[in-house]
Amino acid sequence: QPVLTQSSSASASLGSSVKLTCTLSSGHNSYIIAWHQQQPGKAPRYLMKLEGSGSYNKGSGVPDRFSGSSSGADRYLTISNLQSEDEADYYCETWDTNTHVFGTGTKVTVL
Amino acid sequence: EVQLVESGGGVIRPGGSLRLSCTASGFTFDDYAMSWVRQAPGKGLEWVSGINWNGGTTGYADSVKGRFTISRDNAKNSLFLQMNSLRAEDTALYYCARQTSYGGKSETDYWGQGTLATVSS
Repeated sequence: QPVLTQSSSASASLGSSVKLTCTLSSGHNSYIIAWHQQQPGKAPRYLMKLEGSGSYNKGSGVPDRFSGSSSGADRYLTISNLQSEDEADYYCETWDTNTHVFGTGTKVTVL
Repeated sequence: EVQLVESGGGVIRPGGSLRLSCTASGFTFDDYAMSWVRQAPGKGLEWVSGINWNGGTTGYADSVKGRFTISRDNAKNSLFLQMNSLRAEDTALYYCARQTSYGGKSETDYWGQGTLATVSS
């Protein structure tokens, strides 16, 4: 079963950009993933589905500031023009037959 | 508007049982696979169990296999999680979640607000 690795934290200034990484384990670098945002005290929210080609599809209402890209086993979430409401935990998710896996999450701090 | 509303959480002693429910609205329930995902206090997300559109295929995390049972009632737009032999480490906020496909091998696109299960003596 795949394993997803994420950095524990990231920070960037208001109005700047931050790029988060989710790395798939060996043998799983073609897997599709999804990114989710969890603001403090709230339920997770689906952001996008991201393929190994770098093609992504965002969920309803997700701002244009959020984009995805891929390189090998790495899947990226880039947040541009960082806003205070982007301060949250970000999780990646993937799936296989009868199982789903979440990464450990990256906490984003807006300076 | 898609809505997922969980219920059934509470405080239960170790070794006890609890049944969680999720009522769905705003979409054709039996067109989608569903899952339960939990989050222990201060921790990350952990997939617990999933079920395909008609209940014919289910999956479980190793941590709950043999103790938890997922099921659904499409006539009532409802998803369930029967939790037996509960342990302290099962204490978590349990989220009901929808997959984008009927089979379940796809991403989660909607989440409920969660129901809290606390296992404590």
